[in-house]
Formats: sequence, C-alpha cells, structure tokens
Amino acid sequence: GDSVTQMEGPVTLSEEAFLTINCTYTATGYPSLFWYVQYPGEGLQLLLKATKADDKGSNKGFEATYRKETTSFHLEKGSVQVSDSAVYFCALNPGRRALTFGSGTRLQVQP
Amino acid sequence: DAGVTQSPTHLIKTRGQQVTLRCSPKSGHDTVSWYQQALGQGPQFIFQYYEEEERQRGNFPDRFSGHQFPNYSSELNVNALLLGDSALYLCASSLVAGGVWGDTQYFGPGTRLTVL
Repeated sequence: GDSVTQMEGPVTLSEEAFLTINCTYTATGYPSLFWYVQYPGEGLQLLLKATKADDKGSNKGFEATYRKETTSFHLEKGSVQVSDSAVYFCALNPGRRALTFGSGTRLQVQP
Repeated sequence: DAGVTQSPTHLIKTRGQQVTLRCSPKSGHDTVSWYQQALGQGPQFIFQYYEEEERQRGNFPDRFSGHQFPNYSSELNVNALLLGDSALYLCASSLVAGGVWGDTQYFGPGTRLTVL
C-alpha cells in the first residue's frame, strides 16, 4: 500500500541555518505530494504541493522538488527563523481521495 | 474567504459514551474528509463524504460513523468510546469540479477529544 517515510526528529537548528527534512514515499501511479505544517495546538496548514515529476512547490521560503526517480520530496529552506518551529508532515494523494501522511518531523529553531 | 471550521474545540467524555463532532467546509468546497491524529503521530484517514454519501473509508470500526448535510457540513459520530479514541480529530475539505476530485485538502483547527 501507499506509505510516506520522514526523517525522525526533533531537528534542532540555530536561526538562519539551512533546513532539510527528508521525505520518501511508496505509491502506485503518480501521486500528488504535499507538505503540511502544524503549529502547537493547531490544525494542519498546507505549506506547498507538487503534482508531477520534477515540479517544484514553494511557499514562504520553503521548497520541495518532486523526484520520481528517487521517490522523494525533501523539504528545504535556506534560512530558518524561530517562527518556523513546528511539526512538518509529508503527505501523498494517489488520486484515491484520501491523504496518506508521514509520522511528522518536529523542527526546533533556537535564537 | 471562510476557512474550515470545527466545533467544539475541546471535549471530555468517559468510556462508553457517544460523541458528535461538527465541521463546516471551506467556502466553495463540497467534500469533507475526517482524520484522527493521535499524540505524536500523523493523521489517519477515517472517511470521506461527498453528495451526502460516504465515498471512501479508512481502517476504522463501525463505531465511527458520519453524515453530510445538504449545505456540505458534516458530523463525525463515535459510539462506545474507548480510551484509545483520545486524539485530535481533524476535518478537511476539498472540491470536486467537473467530475475531477481535487487532490488538495484544507484542514480545520481540529477537535481535541479526551476519553477518561
């Protein structure tokens, strides 16, 4: 079945450091890929998406590229801020209507 | 543009009781999906409603049931509550346009259910 694997956290970085959160997936066909962010005590916010191979999703300085050959969708940001501290979820939708999520990666950014 | 709303925010119940959670989709959306998020885990799909019918269901027992109303809002009902049902329940909305199921889901703030 479909699955998403994320790097385990927490990831602890200093402000202005470079961020990478790894995400790989297993799915049949050509799923759409997503990153969602969850701040403490809140629901999930859509951060970015990509719908086909080699697409790059971007938003608020975050980027992720759909790599079909490596079945990956790694999240990157060039310079993190304290306000980026949250839990990040990678997810896929294979076109069968339900999202499949990874287990989440907690990011802690220290001033 | 009204986003997804859920009520109540928090709920405390005891084992064996029944609970109803409510969701209103994002303005213009017609499809509602429900997810359960246990502490420290990713959301797990419960079911999805479109045109007032359950269209897809995840691996959850029949104690979990739902409903969608003509205005697209939805309810999640859980009967015979267990301690393990304690979780954040998330509602997400999306749009079916021209027979094509939108792949992007927008989430509400969730309802935190605690079962004692």
